[in-house]
Amino acid sequence: GDSVTQMEGPVTLSEEAFLTINCTYTATGYPSLFWYVQYPGEGLQLLLKATKADDKGSNKGFEATYRKETTSFHLEKGSVQVSDSAVYFCALSDPAQGAQKLVFGQGTRLTINP
Amino acid sequence: DSGVTQTPKHLITATGQRVTLRCSPRSGDLSVYWYQQSLDQGLQFLIQYYNGEERAKGNILERFSAQQFPDLHSELNLSSLELGDSALYFCASSVGGSWETQYFGPGTRLLVL
Repeated sequence: GDSVTQMEGPVTLSEEAFLTINCTYTATGYPSLFWYVQYPGEGLQLLLKATKADDKGSNKGFEATYRKETTSFHLEKGSVQVSDSAVYFCALSDPAQGAQKLVFGQGTRLTINP
Repeated sequence: DSGVTQTPKHLITATGQRVTLRCSPRSGDLSVYWYQQSLDQGLQFLIQYYNGEERAKGNILERFSAQQFPDLHSELNLSSLELGDSALYFCASSVGGSWETQYFGPGTRLLVL
């Protein structure tokens, strides 16, 4: 079945550091890819998405490019802030599965220190 | 604020009991999804309803059931509760039957003692 693998956390960085959170996927069809963020005590918020190969999703300084050849969707940000501290989830939605469910990675906890 | 509301925010109950979680989707959204977030299983899809009809089933236990009402709100019923059912239960909604973005509610935290 479909699956998403994220880099193990937790990740701790200093403010203004460069961030990469790796995400790779396995899918039967041609999935859409998402990054969701969960701030402490809150639900999941969509951060960005990409629906086809070579698409780049971007939002709030975060970017991720849909790489079909490497089945990856790595999240990057050039200069992180303390307010970016949260848990980040990579997810896919695969039309080949006939359902619109999201398949999530295990989440990566990010802590940014001032 | 995603526009998806869930009640209650917290729920504490005992093993063997039954609880109902409620979700109201964003205005205009026809699809509702339920997810369970636990420490050992991560975030897992449980079930989807579209305009009142069950559309897809995931890793939902037989002790669990859901429905979507004519006003499009949904309820997730959990019965014969076990300690391992303690988790965060999220509801999400999307516009309709194609592959739109899902918007998540704040979740209901269930603790089974």
